[in-house]
Amino acid sequence: ETGVTQTPRHLVMGMTNKKSLKCEQHLGHNAMYWYKQSAKKPLELMFVYNFKEQTENNSVPSRFSPECPNSSHLFLHLHTLQPEDSALYLCASSQTGQYTDTQYFGPGTRLTVL
Amino acid sequence: AQTVTQSQPEMSVQEAETVTLSCTYDTSESDYYLFWYKQPPSRQMILVIRQEAYKQQNATENRFSVNFQKAAKSFSLKISDSQLGDAAMYFCAFPHAIQGAQKLVFGQGTRLTINP
Repeated sequence: ETGVTQTPRHLVMGMTNKKSLKCEQHLGHNAMYWYKQSAKKPLELMFVYNFKEQTENNSVPSRFSPECPNSSHLFLHLHTLQPEDSALYLCASSQTGQYTDTQYFGPGTRLTVL
Repeated sequence: AQTVTQSQPEMSVQEAETVTLSCTYDTSESDYYLFWYKQPPSRQMILVIRQEAYKQQNATENRFSVNFQKAAKSFSLKISDSQLGDAAMYFCAFPHAIQGAQKLVFGQGTRLTINP
């Protein structure tokens, strides 16, 4: 499944570093999502973009900064992270963002914060 | 608020046998969809099956089928003729409409082991 790609697949960073996660979808969708998957916790929605407009910020700390330059690309900029931010970050996309949509996921970026 | 509960943290089944994973949810909405996703060791979240609540007929995709009980708010996944490649975490998910978008609410997951 290569409809949604994410880079890098693995990232190790210090608390003072700045890094970015990239997501690209090749499905012609208009809505894109960032999820966080921590150990022993359900997947948590972080951000939603629909037609390039941010429609949801699920009380995410400001050290996470999303960017959606177009409907095919989504970034998550990271700065001054904490060790508890270590997790799998999953990107997803769907056709229109309506509740009837099916979301398709990328392979994730495994982030470790030292 | 919508909640999704998977009460079985782990399940195991013999290869070629049938296994059922349970999921219950809570919602006040009358028209909605439900999903089962599979997450193998590769960590890619893969759609297994989708059910539309207004449809009486249970969804089926090859060896995967659901038992959807709307009144009981139950949405179980049955895997027939289990194969080694079915080993994964399975998540039940409920899409919640939020302003201008969709929010998927996931259960805690069930880890399925296939014994050869």
